[in-house]
Amino acid sequence: NAGVTQTPKFRILKIGQSMTLQCTQDMNHNYMYWYRQDPGMGLKLIYYSVGAGITDKGEVPNGYNVSRSTTEDFPLRLELAAPSQTSVYFCASSSTTYEQYFGPGTRLTVT
Amino acid sequence: AQKVTQAQTEISVVEKEDVTLDCVYETRDTTYYLFWYKQPPSGELVFLIRRNSFDEQNEISGRYSWNFQKSTSSFNFTITASQVVDSAVYFCAQQRAQGAQKLVFGQGTRLTINP
Repeated sequence: NAGVTQTPKFRILKIGQSMTLQCTQDMNHNYMYWYRQDPGMGLKLIYYSVGAGITDKGEVPNGYNVSRSTTEDFPLRLELAAPSQTSVYFCASSSTTYEQYFGPGTRLTVT
Repeated sequence: AQKVTQAQTEISVVEKEDVTLDCVYETRDTTYYLFWYKQPPSGELVFLIRRNSFDEQNEISGRYSWNFQKSTSSFNFTITASQVVDSAVYFCAQQRAQGAQKLVFGQGTRLTINP
């Protein structure tokens, strides 16, 4: 049981490039989330999903897209990367109102 | 709207001292959940506790204890006899009981335990 896995762990992008952050969970959780954590700050919700085929915006969705074709996977797409997207990205999953389990994070730098 | 405030940005204490991390929240909901997470220097987020808004009993787990007071909208976290391994950033978070279960985080308190 690996929990929540994220790839890659680190990535450097040039301004204007695109990439997909991968997130997979093996706990059969319906709910999945993407957060970003800027230096010295708490986590802010980017997008979330309540089940396969259902996604919705969080607090800071601009510049990102998501899809949820399976229960296990919830990739986050960055289009036209900007320096403001330099952050640590965390994926999480949960079962209804229980605690969210977080992946190890992806540290992204856009230069 | 939900909001979580952790007014203490950084705390530094000497090992074996007791330390309390403050958390104040805002919500219009009558039913909600409160959480504490620990983020050690390695960067992962570690779940510590989840508390239902209907359960105001204090909770103790080893050296950790939590004081939930609905009257003051606070959910404070105390570490007794702190240890160097307790050094981390601690986040308080709130979650609505209805809807999409999104977590709203405070800004975190960086706790440093000096030997």
